[in-house]
Amino acid sequence: AQSVTQLDSQVPVFEEAPVELRCNYSSSVSVYLFWYVQYPNQGLQLLLKYLSGSTLVESINGFEAEFNKSQTSFHLRKPSVHISDTAEYFCAVSDGGATNKLIFGTGTLLAVQP
Amino acid sequence: KAGVTQTPRYLIKTRGQQVTLSCSPISGHRSVSWYQQTPGQGLQFLFEYFSETQRNKGNFPGRFSGRQFSNSRSEMNVSTLELGDSALYLCASSSGQGTGYTFGSGTRLTVV
Repeated sequence: AQSVTQLDSQVPVFEEAPVELRCNYSSSVSVYLFWYVQYPNQGLQLLLKYLSGSTLVESINGFEAEFNKSQTSFHLRKPSVHISDTAEYFCAVSDGGATNKLIFGTGTLLAVQP
Repeated sequence: KAGVTQTPRYLIKTRGQQVTLSCSPISGHRSVSWYQQTPGQGLQFLFEYFSETQRNKGNFPGRFSGRQFSNSRSEMNVSTLELGDSALYLCASSSGQGTGYTFGSGTRLTVV
């Protein structure tokens, strides 16, 4: 069965510093990968996704993630964070089969400090 | 374009009661999924519907059920509520395989 590992439950970082949130998945077959962000008392918002093609994907607010098949990783990075980036970030995988079922990691709380 | 709408936003129920949650997907989206989010178990898949048919089901007891209507709107029902059913229930819709889901704001269910 598919699984997703987010090793860091919380990542504290100062404003304007770079950050990397780690994500590893278990499957070696073709997968779709996603990062979602959740602000307090809200649902999940899609940040970026990898379906195929270029292994580096970017979001409109400065985040990027790189698909690494050999390491089965999809780490999320941002070169300079803002206070407003404080939120919970979830990595998810879909096996691209007949259904759209998403398997989520346990989430990483990004805590940006001034 | 309206997003995914879930009603109600908050709900308080007593143990043993039953509850129905509603979800209106983005117009044109035919795939709807439900997830349960709790601090202890994280985000867990409940079920997925596509064109009124349940396409996949997570590992939840039979007290959890759902359905999808011809207009793609979906409902989920939980019968004989238990304290452990307290959670944020998220609905999400998708336009196709691998495109990712758009989530609603969720229904916060508290069982007392």
